[in-house]
Amino acid sequence: EAQVTQNPRYLITVTGKKLTVTCSQNMNHEYMSWYRQDPGLGLRQIYYSMNVEVTDKGDVPEGYKVSRKEKRNFPLILESPSPNQTSLYFCASSLSVGQANTGELFFGEGSRLTVL
Amino acid sequence: AQSVTQLDSHVSVSEGTPVLLRCNYSSSYSPSLFWYVQHPNKGLQLLLKYTSAATLVKGINGFEAEFKKSETSFHLTKPSAHMSDAAEYFCVVSERYGFQKLVFGTGTRLLVSP
Repeated sequence: EAQVTQNPRYLITVTGKKLTVTCSQNMNHEYMSWYRQDPGLGLRQIYYSMNVEVTDKGDVPEGYKVSRKEKRNFPLILESPSPNQTSLYFCASSLSVGQANTGELFFGEGSRLTVL
Repeated sequence: AQSVTQLDSHVSVSEGTPVLLRCNYSSSYSPSLFWYVQHPNKGLQLLLKYTSAATLVKGINGFEAEFKKSETSFHLTKPSAHMSDAAEYFCVVSERYGFQKLVFGTGTRLLVSP
C-alpha cells in the first residue's frame, strides 16, 4: 500500500531534549516536505527536499533541521525543543517538484508533539 | 505572492442539506487551486484541484468547486451533506509557473448534524 509513515505519532518531551521525527515513503517520490499545523494558522512549511541531498528552508525553519540521505526518508530533527514547537507535524511527499506544484501531495497521518 | 483566505472557520449544516465552504485567493499569476480534506486524526487528502482546464472541477465524494477569476474565488460545494463529510477543509493556492510552494488557508471545520 502506498503511504507516508511518520513516527512517533504522539510524543511528550521536555525543553532541550533532542528528538527526531521520522518520515518514510514507499512511492519512490522525489519531493518531500515537512509542515506544522497550528490552530488558526493552517499548515506552514518547515523544510522541503527536491531530491536526495537537496534540502531547503520553508517558511518556519527556525529550530529545526532535516536531512535527505536516502530517497525514501526525510527525518525532522529538533536539536533543542522549546514549548513554541508544540504542534502537529505532517510529512508529505510528491512524485516530483512539478507534481508538488500541482497539489498532488501525499500526507502522513501526523505527529503530535508536546514540549513541556 | 499568493495567499488564500477561508472566510469561515466553522460551518454547521444538517445532514442532507447543501454545503458551501468559501475560499478567496490572491495570486500574481495564473493560480492552481486545490481543496484538501482532513478527517480527525488523519493526514490531508486531496479532494479536487483546478489547474487551468474546466472552471468547474469535480472531486471525490460528490464535492465540486468553481474557479471564478472575476471574483477571485474557489468555493467548495456539495448538494447534500453526509455525516462522513464532517472534517476540516483546506483551500490551497499555488502559482502555476516555476516552482512555487503551496500556500494553505487556515481551514474550515465542517460540522454535520443528524
